[in-house]
Amino acid sequence: SQQGEEDPQALSIQEGENATMNCSYKTSINNLQWYRQNSGRGLVHLILIRSNEREKHSGRLRVTLDTSKKSSSLLITASRAADTASYFCATDAGTSGSRLTFGEGTQLTVNP
Amino acid sequence: KAGVTQTPRYLIKTRGQQVTLSCSPISGHRSVSWYQQTPGQGLQFLFEYFSETQRNKGNFPGRFSGRQFSNSRSEMNVSTLELGDSALYLCASSLRGDRGYEQYFGPGTRLTVT
Repeated sequence: SQQGEEDPQALSIQEGENATMNCSYKTSINNLQWYRQNSGRGLVHLILIRSNEREKHSGRLRVTLDTSKKSSSLLITASRAADTASYFCATDAGTSGSRLTFGEGTQLTVNP
Repeated sequence: KAGVTQTPRYLIKTRGQQVTLSCSPISGHRSVSWYQQTPGQGLQFLFEYFSETQRNKGNFPGRFSGRQFSNSRSEMNVSTLELGDSALYLCASSLRGDRGYEQYFGPGTRLTVT
């Protein structure tokens, strides 16, 4: 079963605008990772945020984590057409090793 | 460093056959995980291997199995294929696979069962 739920399921914006995607989860986590996937290809790792972190930046990406609300958000600033993809959050709640639980993803379309 | 590689990239099999998929992790990474992605179920965890031992296992039938070699390369096998096994199979590698370590994914193997 999917622990994470992304919101919205689909998002369409114009180039240059900001895109915000949200992810909610149900159990306590060790960390949360965001991935991008283009047209059914492999997942590209974007950013990892640990449970004791509240915000993290990487280039045009900003991720926040609110463990009290069990939610995370991914902000992409100044979107480009090349950002068009599906975005997934994945949580790791294991006690040993790794076992990612993925949300259903947000399909982002950036129109030129 | 080279990324995670998966072979073959595409595969067409018939119901009842078996298939073996291969994954080579990033150099130095010791944890390899496998995931299945389908339109209906999304991304689901199959299993994780670390130092040649299965460390975690998802809720898949015994027809799905895997192994890891001493050089950290991993294979997964699906026996008695069913139409529902048609999916994108993704492999991920991690330095250790423990909390706080990123998982890096390969391009996937697209399996079609007819």
